[in-house]
Amino acid sequence: EAQVTQNPRYLITVTGKKLTVTCSQNMNHEYMSWYRQDPGLGLRQIYYSMNVEVTDKGDVPEGYKVSRKEKRNFPLILESPSPNQTSLYFCASSPDTLLYNEQFFGPGTRLTVL
Amino acid sequence: AQSVTQLGSHVSVSEGALVLLRCNYSSSVPPYLFWYVQYPNQGLQLLLKYTSAATLVKGINGFEAEFKKSETSFHLTKPSAHMSDAAEYFCAVSAHGSGNTGKLIFGQGTTLQVKP
Repeated sequence: EAQVTQNPRYLITVTGKKLTVTCSQNMNHEYMSWYRQDPGLGLRQIYYSMNVEVTDKGDVPEGYKVSRKEKRNFPLILESPSPNQTSLYFCASSPDTLLYNEQFFGPGTRLTVL
Repeated sequence: AQSVTQLGSHVSVSEGALVLLRCNYSSSVPPYLFWYVQYPNQGLQLLLKYTSAATLVKGINGFEAEFKKSETSFHLTKPSAHMSDAAEYFCAVSAHGSGNTGKLIFGQGTTLQVKP
């Protein structure tokens, strides 16, 4: 089954404790992206990657890091989480960056930073 | 730059009634527009998309949307609501610009409640 998977689905952590949210897709997509969803704000892009070893900042990159060492994986790293990073996170992938392409979303990771 | 505004953060309809979720966009170039649905505890799923082929776009689960350039709108409709339609709905536009980033710009979302 074609899908985007994320782990963990739920995470409660404390301020400053480094964490990684994994994302993997099995569709051989070149493009991957991370969004955060906050009430009343919709989804906002954090980082994106057009291909292996090619990553760039989205609209809200502060406090996050990413890497793209393999085509299928695109982990999101919070080196020192803070309470304002409490949010619902989605990973998405797409065949490429063509504007009319559908993006496929993972199930989401709900993160709480205390 | 592009932007999307969804009018109404919550919409409540009775089962069997018409569903109308409003979306207005701003774009200086011809837009590519999307409607996604998010069921509880799930990721976003594409309902339909507008890519300039036809102004009336039909999607999954009986939903459709009409692109109206003069009104800069892309409202989502369904003739008869079903209990299973209760979810959050997002309108989005592909971000054009120098160096296409593949980004989607989302509206704030509209929660649809369906009453028995």
